[in-house]
Amino acid sequence: KAGVTQTPRYLIKTRGQQVTLSCSPISGHRSVSWYQQTPGQGLQFLFEYFSETQRNKGNFPGRFSGRQFSNSRSEMNVSTLELGDSALYLCASSLFGQATGELFFGEGSRLTVL
Amino acid sequence: ELKVEQNPLFLSMQEGKNYTIYCNYSTTSDRLYWYRQDPGKSLESLFVLLSNGAVKQEGRLMASLDTKARLSTLHITAAVHDLSATYFCAVELIQGAQKLVFGQGTRLTINP
Repeated sequence: KAGVTQTPRYLIKTRGQQVTLSCSPISGHRSVSWYQQTPGQGLQFLFEYFSETQRNKGNFPGRFSGRQFSNSRSEMNVSTLELGDSALYLCASSLFGQATGELFFGEGSRLTVL
Repeated sequence: ELKVEQNPLFLSMQEGKNYTIYCNYSTTSDRLYWYRQDPGKSLESLFVLLSNGAVKQEGRLMASLDTKARLSTLHITAAVHDLSATYFCAVELIQGAQKLVFGQGTRLTINP
């Protein structure tokens, strides 16, 4: 069974650019959530999608956005990049409705903003 | 605002020793997760604790949850070098919503 797949794995951007990250969840999983990991702030929740609807959003500026497609694949977009956006962006998927609510994380997309 | 605090944040120990990592959280929740992260890697799920008094064990690791005390522990028995990693606890803020609030992480180094 394939795990959560994130692309690209590494990318370098410059300030002011925008970036789109992609996440393919485990087959059959309908919930996808995104987290940002930085040395200073740790792991922070960005947003969660289920059935193409954003269910929850973290405390991030509007430059951070996302969406989910009908096949449960998700993308997140960061516009007008800032140096502080450099981070590991992790996607997680889960099978909605299961009692455990266990999340399975992808390998992440490491973004460097210069 | 839910806060999740781990201690210690750094732990260096000898192989064969026992130790405990503590995870305190500030609001009511009955779902707590433990993850392991190796350098440059993603998060690996270790335990999902779903109720007060829950205890789970896998190999040399055992996790427990006391929802009344808002405390979870991760106990390491007879540590081995392969357990060196950063360990995170996380609390589910809204049940079923998959929105987790993570602790700062405990960087565990086990020396031969």
